[in-house]
Amino acid sequence: DAMVIQNPRYQVTQFGKPVTLSCSQTLNHNVMYWYQQKSSQAPKLLFHYYDKDFNNEADTPDNFQSRRPNTSFCFLDIRSPGLGDAAMYLCATSRDRGQGKVWQYFGPGTRLTVT
Amino acid sequence: GQQLNQSPQSMFIQEGEDVSMNCTSSSIFNTWLWYKQEPGEGPVLLIALYKAGELTSNGRLTAQFGITRKDSFLNISASIPSDVGIYFCAGRYTGNQFYFGTGTSLTVIP
Repeated sequence: DAMVIQNPRYQVTQFGKPVTLSCSQTLNHNVMYWYQQKSSQAPKLLFHYYDKDFNNEADTPDNFQSRRPNTSFCFLDIRSPGLGDAAMYLCATSRDRGQGKVWQYFGPGTRLTVT
Repeated sequence: GQQLNQSPQSMFIQEGEDVSMNCTSSSIFNTWLWYKQEPGEGPVLLIALYKAGELTSNGRLTAQFGITRKDSFLNISASIPSDVGIYFCAGRYTGNQFYFGTGTSLTVIP
């Protein structure tokens, strides 16, 4: 089945130790997103790629970076994780289906723990 | 980012009851999406709305795009235990950014 895949589902990293989260998609969607979701809160958009064009949200800390080497893959790099970066990280994809109709699909998320 | 408020924040209902929740924004949107999220999982898309006044159903779920374009509504009829979860709205004006509401937590008591 076409889907959005996130690996690993659970990631533990140490304070200050760089970590990379991965997302892949088989939907061939041209837009990929990264959201941060803390406990009992709404998903917060960090950035997105429209094809190869990177779009950062104004309030996304510089500690968060992203790479999209091809259509199928997108990575979230946290350069120096702090305790406050512990959260669920959600990858999503979307495609314009014509006439402005856009559906956005999410992966299962990666739960990041910072020790 | 945009601020979207959902109401109510949480609901505790008896199985079989109908549920209504809403989402309001300070900005107008051209797209509203409704999602359900269960613990430890990503949000699952339920309904998409693209036009002011539009009413769309998906089984027991019905959602409406508010005519002011600043709000949207979700109704669930005849709730069942598996409806338990957090329901999020998400809005988009133009471009590709979707912004999420604060969520409504639904508990269904058998």
